[in-house]
Amino acid sequence: DVKVTQSSRYLVKRTGEKVFLECVQDMDHENMFWYRQDPGLGLRLIYFSYDVKMKEKGDIPEGYSVSREKKERFSLILESASTNQTSMYLCASLRVSYGYTFGSGTRLTVV
Amino acid sequence: QKEVEQDPGPLSVPEGAIVSLNCTYSNSAFQYFMWYRQYSRKGPELLMYTYSSGNKEDGRFTAQVDKSSKYISLFIRDSQPSDSATYLCAMTIGSGNTGKLIFGQGTTLQVKP
Repeated sequence: DVKVTQSSRYLVKRTGEKVFLECVQDMDHENMFWYRQDPGLGLRLIYFSYDVKMKEKGDIPEGYSVSREKKERFSLILESASTNQTSMYLCASLRVSYGYTFGSGTRLTVV
Repeated sequence: QKEVEQDPGPLSVPEGAIVSLNCTYSNSAFQYFMWYRQYSRKGPELLMYTYSSGNKEDGRFTAQVDKSSKYISLFIRDSQPSDSATYLCAMTIGSGNTGKLIFGQGTTLQVKP
C-alpha cells in the first residue's frame, strides 16, 4: 500500500514564524498535493506538483509556498504564519486509477 | 454558489439502518466521482470511485451517480458503529485521476449501537 507520511501530527507556532510542513510518499508517484481542511469549508487545494521542481497554485495559495526537490518529498511553507492559517493540513499522493492517498494530517495552531 | 454541496449533518442513525449520503454539483464537466471516509484525527481514505452515471456496489456500500441531475449518493446498508465517520464526496474533471479534486464539505455520520 502507498504510504504518505506527514512529519508532524500537531504543531504550535507563533505569528510571524516561518513554518515547514513535510510530506513524504514511498511509491514514486509524480503527483502530490497540499490541502487544508476547515470546519464548514471542507478541503481546499493550496498547491500541487506534477513533477520534481514543478508546482502549480491551487485555489488558496496566498501566504503559502511549496518545494519539491525530490520526487518523494513535497514541502509546504508558511512564509510568515498568521492566525488564520490555523488549520488541518493534508498532503496527498496520486495513485493513478485508484485515487488520492492522504497522509494523517498536521494540525497546525498559530498563536 | 459552491461547486459541490454536501449537507454537513450531523446524521445519527441506529445500528442496522440504511444510510443515504448525498452531494449535488454545478459543473457538468465533472466525470469522476469519489467518496472518502475520514475517521477522527485521520486523513481521508478512498471508499468508492465511479466514472460517469450509474451504480457501483462494494459490499455494504453502493455509490450512485446521476449526471443528468448533477447528484451523487452513497448508500450504506446494515450500518455499523464502525461506520461512524465523516464522509466526503469528491469529483474531478480531468481524465483518470490527473485532475485536482473538488470536495464537498463532508457529512458527519454517527451509528449508535
